[in-house]
Amino acid sequence: GAVVSQHPSRVICKSGTSVKIECRSLDFQATTMFWYRQFPKKSLMLMATSNEGSKATYEQGVEKDKFLINHASLTLSTLTVTSAHPEDSSFYICSATGPLSTDTQYFGPGTRLTVL
Amino acid sequence: TQLLEQSPQFLSIQEGENLTVYCNSSSVFSSLQWYRQEPGEGPVLLVTVVTGGEVKKLKRLTFQFGDARKDSSLHITAAQPGDTGLYLCAGARRNSGYALNFGKGTSLLVTP
Repeated sequence: GAVVSQHPSRVICKSGTSVKIECRSLDFQATTMFWYRQFPKKSLMLMATSNEGSKATYEQGVEKDKFLINHASLTLSTLTVTSAHPEDSSFYICSATGPLSTDTQYFGPGTRLTVL
Repeated sequence: TQLLEQSPQFLSIQEGENLTVYCNSSSVFSSLQWYRQEPGEGPVLLVTVVTGGEVKKLKRLTFQFGDARKDSSLHITAAQPGDTGLYLCAGARRNSGYALNFGKGTSLLVTP
């Protein structure tokens, strides 16, 4: 149980375009989803916390207009990187918590974004 | 702000050796998780420790949560090449919506 999927696993886009990444909880309802960013050989940095039906809470230094997060249902959250630039290239990982285990996060497999 | 200090950052050992990874903080956490991550994949949860002083064992891995719930350690006995990977500790704080603060990670390489 507690499987989280991400789509796509890899995406290459041109500078200036927008890219949407989906995060789905497959076998549980995720009350909260989190989005992280990870640079090569570095740890995960929290970008934002999203609760179903409400606006996401962004960490300091993360541009909310650039990284649009939508959590429209209890099983789906999306991250849209708008007007992508090469410096946005990174590994983006989502995680989800269920209603019964708020301390445990289940991570998706990640999405490798490359902006040319 | 790096709330969790993880050490060492890099560790290269031979098969059969023992090792310990430390995760320290000045903050109190409601729980602390240890993850293992392979390149190009998401972190996989190894264990969650909740109670101060708690010790959990997972085969050759032993996890300990400090009495004050500010620090934790991961000890691996008789390391094997399959243990190679990035080990991450992460603390959850109730007053921040259970968002996880990650340590910098320990990159472990076990050679045959």
